[in-house]
Amino acid sequence: QSALTQPRSVSGSPGQSVTISCTGTGSDVGAYTYVSWYQQYPGKAPKLIIYSVNKWPSGVPARFSGSKSGNTASLTISGLQAEDEADYYCCSYAGAYSLVFGGGTKLTVL
Amino acid sequence: ELQLVESGGGLVQPGGSLRLSCAASGFTFSSSWMSWVRQAPGKGLEWVANIKQGGSETYYVDSVKGRFTISRDDAKNSVFLQMNSLRAEDTAVYYCATLGYGLDFGRWGQGILVTVSS
Repeated sequence: QSALTQPRSVSGSPGQSVTISCTGTGSDVGAYTYVSWYQQYPGKAPKLIIYSVNKWPSGVPARFSGSKSGNTASLTISGLQAEDEADYYCCSYAGAYSLVFGGGTKLTVL
Repeated sequence: ELQLVESGGGLVQPGGSLRLSCAASGFTFSSSWMSWVRQAPGKGLEWVANIKQGGSETYYVDSVKGRFTISRDDAKNSVFLQMNSLRAEDTAVYYCATLGYGLDFGRWGQGILVTVSS
């Protein structure tokens, strides 16, 4: 149950696109299509923004998109906005009803 | 409106026990898997435990197995986390969350702080 690997920080200017990677193994990210992404503002609870690799919950803008290739999942935020500045976490099913999170990525909007 | 409200947190000495509660409303609780997720101060998220509808199946992260117990009371729309033999490294904000069919944490409570310190 080792944590998934995410970059500690990424940054981008308003209007640009940024991609956050999430690397696991063949026992978690590579084995299942159960990858989800969460947005968290300081002092607040996380919010689901992508589930099942590339699906959007109701109310999440299409600027957020997810994908997966092999053992690495990715979250892309297009048309970056100031309000997107937050921490982002990936999460993957790891079998036997266990789940594992990434270490989190701090997104800075320049 | 779906709502999850945690309670029961606080300061406890190492080796002590604490029971967290999470009251749910606004959805069919009895049909939902539920989970606990924690976040140590300044750190990332960590999945802690899951419980199936009806409570017949429970699952835990290795670091809490044998010390924590997740349970539920569908009549009271509540899920619980009994935490025994607490350690300093259990200090965290604990969130209850719904676990969706995509094995995602769809909705979260506001979180409750547990501090393990002498």
